[in-house]
Formats: sequence, structure tokens, C-alpha cells
Amino acid sequence: NAGVMQNPRHLVRRRGQEARLRCSPMKGHSHVYWYRQLPEEGLKFMVYLQKENIIDESGMPKERFSAEFPKEGPSILRIQQVVRGDSAAYFCASSPRQGGQPQHFGDGTRLSIL
Amino acid sequence: QQQVKQSPQSLIVQKGGIPIINCAYENTAFDYFPWYQQFPGKGPALLIAIRPDVSEKKEGRFTISFNKSAKQFSLHIMDSQPGDSATYFCAASKGAGNQFYFGTGTSLTVIP
Repeated sequence: NAGVMQNPRHLVRRRGQEARLRCSPMKGHSHVYWYRQLPEEGLKFMVYLQKENIIDESGMPKERFSAEFPKEGPSILRIQQVVRGDSAAYFCASSPRQGGQPQHFGDGTRLSIL
Repeated sequence: QQQVKQSPQSLIVQKGGIPIINCAYENTAFDYFPWYQQFPGKGPALLIAIRPDVSEKKEGRFTISFNKSAKQFSLHIMDSQPGDSATYFCAASKGAGNQFYFGTGTSLTVIP
């Protein structure tokens, strides 16, 4: 499967714990986008990264959330000290280059906070 | 502030009908308008996309109509099938490689 791979598919955390979501882009894609989807809502942009660079984090909450896309390995979305409101589906998308449309999406990570 | 407004929220049609989903935007800097289909538990999958230099694009049973002056675009599904039952999202982006602004989605049910 050469598509965008996200893991885990489901993640359960207790309030105050950390959540780490991983995204491996499609082969040959060097641009990664993270989106959050709340129930019955559309996807909301969080952050756009290239290898080793954050290009646009305008949709990322200022506290507790961070993202990285290292030279080697997957992109990581990290949520520290999770709260109930962080429960959502988190989707990653990738594209091949600057301006390379379309964005291809993974199947998401469903994060549940107890 | 919702940059892309989508309607209706839900839609039920008979098999063979032509559901139409509408989206409107305000930002004239948007230059790429995709439609995504999402099944429960899966990620959005690109259906069809259009740029503002054309007024219509057709791929198989899916057609996008684009009205630049009205800042509206719509998705038409010809000869709809029960397998088309899914949630459909319109989106828009501006410039190269930038984020997508998504509509709030339309839940389509096609009755056999």
C-alpha cells in the first residue's frame, strides 16, 4: 500500500497523558499536512510541514500541541496533557511538492480521551 | 469563521437520481477547489477538482460546476448508486501548497 499511513488507528488516553500520532506520507511526497475533524464537522487545518521545517502552523493551538517532520522517519503530531476536548479524528495528508495538488489523506487516528 | 459554506447538511435521493451539493466562498484568492468523499472510519478521498479558469469539469459520473462571479461551485452525481452513500466535502485553497479550507460536509444517502 503506497498511500498515506497513519498509526495508531485508534488511541485512548486519560486526561493529562501525552498522545503521539504518526504519519508516513506517500512515497515521494515531502509535504505533510495535519487536520482535525470533530464529530459532524469538516476538517480543520492544523499545521503544514516539509522535511525538518514547519511551514504554516496557524491552525495549531498555541499550547500543548506540537508537530515535527524529521529528515528520517514519519511526521509526529504530539499532544501533551490531553483534555476531553482533544477527542477527535486526526488526519494527515501529503503532497509531492510545493504547490503539488492534490493532497492525499490517510485514514486517520481516532483519539479518545477518558 | 467558515471560509467555505456547504449545503445541504444531508441529502436523500433515490437510486438513479442526481444529488447536487453546493458550496460558496468569499476569498477570491482561492484558486483550487476539490471535492472529497469520505466513508465512515476512512479518510477523505479525492473525487474531482477544478480551477477557476473553467466553468465545468466532468469525471465519470461526477461533475463540478463553477461560477466564478457568484463565488459558488457545486457537485453533481449522475445516476447515483447506493454505493455513493457517503459524506462529501468541498474545499478550497489559495496559492501553492497551502492548506485546504473545508466545508462542513454533506451526508448523502442513496436509497435503492
